[in-house]
Amino acid sequence: GAGVSQTPSNKVTEKGKYVELRCDPISGHTALYWYRQSLGQGPEFLIYFQGTGAADDSGLPNDRFFAVRPEGSVSTLKIQRTERGDSAVYLCASSLTGGYQETQYFGPGTRLLVL
Amino acid sequence: GQSLEQPSEVTAVEGAIVQINCTYQTSGFYGLSWYQQHDGGAPTFLSYNALDGLEETGRFSSFLSRSDSYGYLLLQELQMKDSASYFCALNDYKLSFGAGTTVTVRA
Repeated sequence: GAGVSQTPSNKVTEKGKYVELRCDPISGHTALYWYRQSLGQGPEFLIYFQGTGAADDSGLPNDRFFAVRPEGSVSTLKIQRTERGDSAVYLCASSLTGGYQETQYFGPGTRLLVL
Repeated sequence: GQSLEQPSEVTAVEGAIVQINCTYQTSGFYGLSWYQQHDGGAPTFLSYNALDGLEETGRFSSFLSRSDSYGYLLLQELQMKDSASYFCALNDYKLSFGAGTTVTVRA
């Protein structure tokens, strides 16, 4: 398992519920990113972790969205009080050190549907 | 902020050459990347230009002109498996993506 993995692959929930999306980055990668992709659009940046800390969370749309990476590897994106507009594919990516010119490796995404 | 524009769709036949243009507006960036994404799949890295000029990687080449705020991805010897969406993205430790170009390859 050399790539970025994400679970679950699909998540259906009801409006107002809480969801957690998990990302396992490539082993040894210190930089981890979350993006959100709506249908027909490119991925949109949400948050960037360097190690355990969130170095840039400027893309989180509001305070219902929160992400953690407590041990510097696995990350969880948490969405409270989900809304239908949160429906999208949530992508996770990792890179070796977070350098400006490093390749980011993406996982297959979690498809979230809020009914 | 960052904004990128690319054509929404391109159709071509097997064996042909396709050029996907990308124009951008930015206050600063380190380079331009290109990613490929098949339906339901993960975006995968294709090419990166840190400097002006052409970068060649097999059948794919990418070009950047900072003075023109312009880049392109060239796909040569098109194959059916190249049918996918292609995204240009500005690198600034995080990636800022365009809306993507859907390439359809016909037999």
